[in-house]
Amino acid sequence: KQEVTQIPAALSVPEGENLVLNCSFTDSAIYNLQWFRQDPGKGLTSLLLIQSSQREQTSGRLNASLDKSSGRSTLYIAASQPGDSATYLCAVRGSARQLTFGSGTQLTVLP
Amino acid sequence: DAGVIQSPRHEVTEMGQEVTLRCKPISGHDYLFWYRQTMMRGLELLIYFNNNVPIDDSGMPEDRFSAKMPNASFSTLKIQPSEPRDSAVYFCASTLGDGTYEQYFGPGTRLTVT
Repeated sequence: KQEVTQIPAALSVPEGENLVLNCSFTDSAIYNLQWFRQDPGKGLTSLLLIQSSQREQTSGRLNASLDKSSGRSTLYIAASQPGDSATYLCAVRGSARQLTFGSGTQLTVLP
Repeated sequence: DAGVIQSPRHEVTEMGQEVTLRCKPISGHDYLFWYRQTMMRGLELLIYFNNNVPIDDSGMPEDRFSAKMPNASFSTLKIQPSEPRDSAVYFCASTLGDGTYEQYFGPGTRLTVT
């Protein structure tokens, strides 16, 4: 059974810092990996999707990397802003269509 | 596109009552998923449909839960009878089976059973 772990569970940084969020998964036989953002009381917003054949994806200040063989992904956020404060979730898709989620990293960017 | 639409956004009910949650997926998407989010267990898949047909319902906690998708633009998740431990946020998501399978989530329904 796939298990997804996110470290750290919570992170607080001053505005302007570059930061890295980590995600690891136990079964490397994945089809893709998706990073989401969740604001308090809100739904999930898809940030980046990396196919298993890809090494990284970029969107604006966000860069996600994938090392499938080692079961790891990172989400890099450049020049963090208070508006980036949210919970970040990673999820992997295996041979079935459903996603298995990590428990998330709660990010606080201090002004 | 309006995105995935869920209703109601909040539901408060008494134990033993029937609860029905509704979802309208993004037009053209052929997969629909129901997830539940709690502090203790995080996000868990309950059931998913492909072309209106239930494919995997192994995540449905017990017989009190049922889900239907009568057509491509509507799905329901029903709990009967409801219990306090069913209190959670229920999310609906949809995706197009074109290879990327990027999932798009609705805003969720926050259910409180007293």
